[in-house]
Amino acid sequence: KAGVTQTPRYLIKTRGQQVTLSCSPISGHRSVSWYQQTPGQGLQFLFEYFSETQRNKGNFPGRFSGRQFSNSRSEMNVSTLELGDSALYLCASSLRPVSNTGDEQFFGPGTRLTVL
Amino acid sequence: TQLLEQSPQFLSIQEGENLTVYCNSSSVFSSLQWYRQEPGEGPVLLVTVVTGGEVKKLKRLTFQFGDARKDSSLHITAAQPGDTGLYLCAGARISNYKLTFGKGTLLTVNP
Repeated sequence: KAGVTQTPRYLIKTRGQQVTLSCSPISGHRSVSWYQQTPGQGLQFLFEYFSETQRNKGNFPGRFSGRQFSNSRSEMNVSTLELGDSALYLCASSLRPVSNTGDEQFFGPGTRLTVL
Repeated sequence: TQLLEQSPQFLSIQEGENLTVYCNSSSVFSSLQWYRQEPGEGPVLLVTVVTGGEVKKLKRLTFQFGDARKDSSLHITAAQPGDTGLYLCAGARISNYKLTFGKGTLLTVNP
């Protein structure tokens, strides 16, 4: 069974631009969570989607948004990029919403975003 | 304020040595997970502990959940270069399963 895939793997943008990251979950998994990982703050939860609905949200500004499609694939968008948005963005999939069930999450390899 | 404090932040040891890394909090968790993350990859779940005082073993790795469910430790016996990676702990709150991650311990095992 294929694992979680994320595209692109690497991305370089400049301040003020916007970016869209994509995540394809493991086949059959309907929940997708997004995380930001930086050396200073570690791994921080962004949001979780299940059945095309946002189920949970972390403490990030409104510039960070996401959506999920009917095939469970998910996208994350960051608008008006800032230098501090440089990070590894990870998505994780699970069968059911992690925030309700504690189901095991399977992480993708991440997208490394650099903002210049 | 970091809810979960991991120590040490960095650890570099020789092959064959034993080590322990710690995950501490002032909050009580319903469960605690340990992950290992290798360069260029996402974290991979190693174990979940749910009962205070619980001890789980995974080959040379021993995980313990504190009696009060506020802390956990990971002990590795006879470390090997393949154990190199970032070890992360993550706690699930009592009220829901939303995970809070520690910043991790970066372990390097030199041959």
